[in-house]
Amino acid sequence: GAVVSQHPSWVICKSGTSVKIECRSLDFQATTMFWYRQFPKQSLMLMATSNEGSKATYEQGVEKDKFLINHASLTLSTLTVTSAHPEDSSFYICSAKPGEGTDTQYFGPGTRLTVL
Amino acid sequence: AQSVTQLDSQVPVFEEAPVELRCNYSSSVSVYLFWYVQYPNQGLQLLLKYLSGSTLVKGINGFEAEFNKSQTSFHLRKPSVHISDTAEYFCAVTDGAGANNLFFGTGTRLTVIP
Repeated sequence: GAVVSQHPSWVICKSGTSVKIECRSLDFQATTMFWYRQFPKQSLMLMATSNEGSKATYEQGVEKDKFLINHASLTLSTLTVTSAHPEDSSFYICSAKPGEGTDTQYFGPGTRLTVL
Repeated sequence: AQSVTQLDSQVPVFEEAPVELRCNYSSSVSVYLFWYVQYPNQGLQLLLKYLSGSTLVKGINGFEAEFNKSQTSFHLRKPSVHISDTAEYFCAVTDGAGANNLFFGTGTRLTVIP
């Protein structure tokens, strides 16, 4: 149980284009989903927290207009990297919590974004 | 605010030998502690967690960790490692039930040598 999927698993795009990454909780409803970014050989940095039906809360230093997050349903959150640039190349990982007051985040397999 | 320190960035160990991966945390409130494992090109998988109760926590794949409040540590141990344990291990802390901010350490790369 508690499986989270991401799509696509990897994507290559040209500079200036936008890329959408999907995060789905497959066997539970996730009231809260999280988006992380991981640079090579580094730890995960929280980008934003999204709650179903409301606006995402972004961490300091994360551009909300560049990283658009939509938590449209209890099983789906999307991250859109707008006008991507090479410095946006990274590993993006989502996670989800099964409900309010729960303690554990379940992570997706990640999406490798390469911007040329 | 919480923070996590993983003192060893890389730990090489021979197959069937014991291993300890160190994790220290700082927090002004009570904490929940986690260990996650990340295999190459994959997301994070929960190994074990400490919420309350017994300070010795057993997880999957034969791993265990001990919460030591006085030393603010949560070291991960395994008595005998396998080649398949080669991966990146992350310690993380959050400040209690419902808290969303999960703070990660920088990770420890465990390499098991045949």
